[in-house]
Amino acid sequence: EDQVTQSPEALRLQEGESSSLNCSYTVSGLRGLFWYRQDPGKGPEFLFTLYSAGEEKEKERLKATLTKKESFLHITAPKPEDSATYLCAVQKKSSGDKLTFGTGTRLAVRP
Amino acid sequence: EAQVTQNPRYLITVTGKKLTVTCSQNMNHEYMSWYRQDPGLGLRQIYYSMNVEVTDKGDVPEGYKVSRKEKRNFPLILESPSPNQTSLYFCASSFWGGQYTGELFFGEGSRLTVL
Repeated sequence: EDQVTQSPEALRLQEGESSSLNCSYTVSGLRGLFWYRQDPGKGPEFLFTLYSAGEEKEKERLKATLTKKESFLHITAPKPEDSATYLCAVQKKSSGDKLTFGTGTRLAVRP
Repeated sequence: EAQVTQNPRYLITVTGKKLTVTCSQNMNHEYMSWYRQDPGLGLRQIYYSMNVEVTDKGDVPEGYKVSRKEKRNFPLILESPSPNQTSLYFCASSFWGGQYTGELFFGEGSRLTVL
């Protein structure tokens, strides 16, 4: 069975304190791994797609990386506006459009 | 402004009383989908639609119906709601192919409570 596990469940950082969020997965035949940001009371917002081990994507203070077993979302010098829940999801080549989501990491950045 | 609009945003209802959650997108997207989000379970797909008049079941379709008569609208119908359908519901849409790149546009969610 496909599984996506995100850790930690919650993370509190001081403004400027860099850290990483982890998304480990067990999927045979990965098509892609996706990262989303979800603010309280809002729907998820697409951030990145990663397709193969070694691939990296960047956007402002966020950088996503992928290995054969896990993905990391690195946050460099975070700001309070980076506070949100970060979700990752995987999609198998054989499962059409189906996404398997993790339960997210709640990030709080204190000023 | 490009958006996915869901209504109602909040609803408290009773067991067995039919309800419809509407979803409309103004981006001319072919693909639309419904998810439910429950604590500890993540987002799970209920139904999806590749285009007008084409719908299919997701992971948790029991107790739900959908229709896609127009490209912009994709309502979610609960014919006889039960308490286990209490959840936060999201509608999402994407351009053709976006469902394979993760580039989904989500609505703001509809929080449903069934008593």
